[in-house]
Amino acid sequence: GAVVSQHPSWVICKSGTSVKIECRSLDFQATTMFWYRQFPKQSLMLMATSNEGSKATYEQGVEKDKFLINHASLTLSTLTVTSAHPEDSSFYICSARGGGQGRGYSPLHFGNGTRLTVT
Amino acid sequence: GQQVMQIPQYQHVQEGEDFTTYCNSSTTLSNIQWYKQRPGGHPVFLIQLVKSGEVKKQKRLTFQFGEAKKNSSLHITATQTTDVGTYFCAGDNMRFGAGTRLTVKP
Repeated sequence: GAVVSQHPSWVICKSGTSVKIECRSLDFQATTMFWYRQFPKQSLMLMATSNEGSKATYEQGVEKDKFLINHASLTLSTLTVTSAHPEDSSFYICSARGGGQGRGYSPLHFGNGTRLTVT
Repeated sequence: GQQVMQIPQYQHVQEGEDFTTYCNSSTTLSNIQWYKQRPGGHPVFLIQLVKSGEVKKQKRLTFQFGEAKKNSSLHITATQTTDVGTYFCAGDNMRFGAGTRLTVKP
């Protein structure tokens, strides 16, 4: 159980175009989804947190107009990289969390990530 | 915002040796979670610690949460090649530590 599907797994696009990445929770309802960016051999940098039906909360330094996040349902969140540039090339990975269970928080379940290359 | 610092950044051990990674927060945490990311893979949840002073074990892995709930550690006894990967801790707001990359020499 607790499978998160992320699509596409890799994408190559031209500079100036937009790319949409989908993140779906397949067998549970994700009340919260998180989007991360990971550079090679580095940590996961949290970009934004989204709750179903509300606007995403972006981390400091992340341009909300460039990285559009939509969490329209309890099983789907999308990240759109608008007007992509080569410096946006990276590994983007989403994670989803269901409702809280007792003390603490439910664990994050990660998608397999999307490798974005902007030429 | 709440940040978690993690050390060491890298650790190379001989198979059979022990390994420990440490996580420290500037603020009190309500919980801490540990994840493992294998090379080329995505992070996988290992465990969550909630109580002050809590210790949990998973076979050769021992997880501790400090009394002040500001630090945590992951200790692996007698490492195996299957332990290779990067171990991350994450605080309440799901901001991850820098991670500790473990390599194991057979």
